[in-house]
Amino acid sequence: DTEVTQTPKHLVMGMTNKKSLKCEQHMGHRAMYWYKQKAKKPPELMFVYSYEKLSINESVPSRFSPECPNSSLLNLHLHALQPEDSALYLCASSHPSGIGINQPQHFGDGTRLSIL
Amino acid sequence: QKEVEQNSGPLSVPEGAIASLNCTYSDRGSQSFFWYRQYSGKSPELIMSIYSNGDKEDGRFTAQLNKASQYVSLLIRDSQPSDSATYLCAVKGNTPLVFGKGTRLSVIA
Repeated sequence: DTEVTQTPKHLVMGMTNKKSLKCEQHMGHRAMYWYKQKAKKPPELMFVYSYEKLSINESVPSRFSPECPNSSLLNLHLHALQPEDSALYLCASSHPSGIGINQPQHFGDGTRLSIL
Repeated sequence: QKEVEQNSGPLSVPEGAIASLNCTYSDRGSQSFFWYRQYSGKSPELIMSIYSNGDKEDGRFTAQLNKASQYVSLLIRDSQPSDSATYLCAVKGNTPLVFGKGTRLSVIA
């Protein structure tokens, strides 16, 4: 069990559906991340929130819309996804980055997303 | 472009042997180094963090860092079949965390 909880664990959706992925952490971290991971590839950063504000958007298509309602929650809203968006979506959290030493990111179990 | 390089493997070692996983990085400003273990279909799990030159030991795991050579390694002593997984090296400087492509380790019983 991890201290970063993601729901749902699996999601199958059509290309016209709207769904949301949820992530919750209670480690007191003020930075939260969304990653996308395809099979046999490393995690690919999508978004970073620091102190509940979007600090990094790695040129992600607008069909992915992140939201950080409070310091413990992170959502990823999905709309009109494409089959190539099928992947494992990982949420992570950490203390915010600073100058010098950075604390590690802790990952949730992920949501396995399949687009039909 | 910040790069982290790992041998993709698979690295096969017999049970009880030492597995040695290597990683090089391009950004000389990197200050934080992490090893994650990822089982097939699962999420990355933090194994080790290392921040200063030298060795850091935790149980059967030892991380080694040489900033002058821009090299970080992970040694796994007394390897077990349950250690079979992909090991991701991740490096952090003043840019977002950069992952290597991972090394697949197979421990043969």
